[in-house]
This record gives sequence, C-alpha cells and structure tokens, in this order.
Amino acid sequence: DAGVIQSPRHEVTEMGQEVTLRCKPISGHNSLFWYRQTMMRGLELLIYFNNNVPIDDSGMPEDRFSAKMPNASFSTLKIQPSEPRDSAVYFCASSQARGRNEQFFGPGTRLTVL
Amino acid sequence: QKEVEQNSGPLSVPEGAIASLNCTYSDRGSQSFFWYRQYSGKSPELIMFIYSNGDKEDGRFTAQLNKASQYVSLLIRDSQPSDSATYLCAVDEDNFNKFYFGSGTKLNVKP
Repeated sequence: DAGVIQSPRHEVTEMGQEVTLRCKPISGHNSLFWYRQTMMRGLELLIYFNNNVPIDDSGMPEDRFSAKMPNASFSTLKIQPSEPRDSAVYFCASSQARGRNEQFFGPGTRLTVL
Repeated sequence: QKEVEQNSGPLSVPEGAIASLNCTYSDRGSQSFFWYRQYSGKSPELIMFIYSNGDKEDGRFTAQLNKASQYVSLLIRDSQPSDSATYLCAVDEDNFNKFYFGSGTKLNVKP
C-alpha cells in the first residue's frame, strides 16, 4: 500500500517566486496535515483538513501561505511570494481520524529560497 | 499554551543497553500519545502509540504512560546502533487529531 506521496522532493527557488507543494494522502484517510520543520522551531503544524475541509489554520505563518484540498486524494500548500525564511522541510501527513488517529508522514519537500 | 517537553540530548548509550526517553506534557485533557523516530534527513516514522495508563510493549520498545504525572516515556531494550535517531513525542489533546510535538531527543547508540 502506498504511503503519503509528496512532490517535489526538493525545490530551490528565488525570493519572490511562487512555490506550490503537493500531497497525496493514504487512500481511505480523511485527515490531512501540513507541517514545517526547521532546526530552530522544530516540527510545527501549519494547517489540517478533515474530509477536505480546513479545520485549523492557526499555524499558517502569514497570508503568503495558503492551502487547499479540492478532493480526498490531493492537497496543495502554496507560498506566494516566497522569502528566504520560508526555507524548511515541509511534511504532509494523513490519518484515518475515526478512532485511529495515528498520523503517517510523507517523505517531505525540502524547500530552499535564495 | 500547550507544551510538550523533551530533553534534547544527545543521549548516549552503549550497544545492548536500555535507552530511556522521557516526555512531559502540560494539558491534562490529552488522550493519545505517540512516539516517532526520525533519522537524519528523513521523515518522522511512527513507532509506538499509547492511550491508557500503564505499559505497552512492542518488540524491543515499551511505551509507558502516567497521566497523573503527565509524562510518557519510551524504553528501547537491547539498543542497537541502528536505533540512533531523534525521537519525537507527540500528544493529541481531546482526540481532535491536532498533535503537539516535542522538540525531540537525539539518541546515540555506540557500538
């Protein structure tokens, strides 16, 4: 069974450019989470969805960040415009959320903004 | 402000010894507790979860939960060099799926 799929795995861009990260959750999971990990701040929850609906976006750092989940098998995290301080590893995770709330992580996208 | 605290380490143990990793949390309403292992450059991997007070064993791993004292621990028996990684504690308050992660404890198992 395929795990959480993320693309791209690495992204290098210049300040001011738009960045779009993509995630496909595990089939049958109905909760999806976007995290950011840095050495300074550790693993931070940015936003999560239940049944494609955003439930909590309090971790989204600012209006430059946006996330969508148009269907149960796809989500995007967009940064526009990107800044060097956005450089981090971005993880997507999913869970069943019906009495079994273990979260399973994708391989992550390493973003570098120059 | 909900907090999950872990000693950042590094915790060094010799091969074959028991490694003990600890985590405390601030929210008494927390219901579910998770341990993730993260190798350098990789994503967090779920290794244990526990919901009830007491011990839960899975192979060489034992998770221990004490809700009254608000701590959860992970014991790794017969530690191997391949166990060297950062271990993240996560707490899910009220089973609403919003995890709070600790900063992780780096474990070094020396051959």
